[in-house]
Amino acid sequence: GAVVSQHPSRVICKSGTSVKIECRSLDFQATTMFWYRQFPKQSLMLMATSNEGSKATYEQGVEKDKFLINHASLTLSTLTVTSAHPEDSSFYICSARSTILGKPHYEQYFGPGTRLTVT
Amino acid sequence: EDKVVQSPLSLVVHEGDTVTLNCSYEVTNFRSLLWYKQEKKAPTFLFMLTSSGIEKKSGRLSSILDKKELFSILNITATQTGDSAVYLCAVESQGAQKLVFGQGTRLTINP
Repeated sequence: GAVVSQHPSRVICKSGTSVKIECRSLDFQATTMFWYRQFPKQSLMLMATSNEGSKATYEQGVEKDKFLINHASLTLSTLTVTSAHPEDSSFYICSARSTILGKPHYEQYFGPGTRLTVT
Repeated sequence: EDKVVQSPLSLVVHEGDTVTLNCSYEVTNFRSLLWYKQEKKAPTFLFMLTSSGIEKKSGRLSSILDKKELFSILNITATQTGDSAVYLCAVESQGAQKLVFGQGTRLTINP
């Protein structure tokens, strides 16, 4: 159980266009989802925390108007990279935290990631 | 600001060797420390540690936490080439939902 999927797994887009990445929890309800970015040979950097039905909380230095996050349901969160530039090329990973039997579950389940290349 | 530092950053050993990976942290209101293994894609969960001195074990992997000295170690015995990966340590504080990750240790096991 506790599977998280991401779509697409890989995307190439032109500079100036927008790209939407989906993160789905397949077999549990994710009250909270997290979006991370990982540059080559670096660790995961949290971009934002998203709670279902409310606005995302962005980390310092992350532009909320550039990285739009929507968590409209308990199984889906989306990250839209607007007006993408080559420096946005990175590996984007989401994770989800569930609520089991009404209790918060501390473990985060990670999606497989999306590799974005902006040309 | 919460901080996680892992060492070494890179380690190359021969199959069959035992390795110890280190993670030290500074966090306000510590709740848990987690270890993940990352191969080519997203991290996979290994251990979550909340109490000092209690070893968690899964096959050839084990981990322990020292909340007084603010560090954790991850041991891998009888290493295999399939253990080659980046091992990530992360901490979570009370009240904050987010994980703060260390830089990772890139482990390479040569046959």
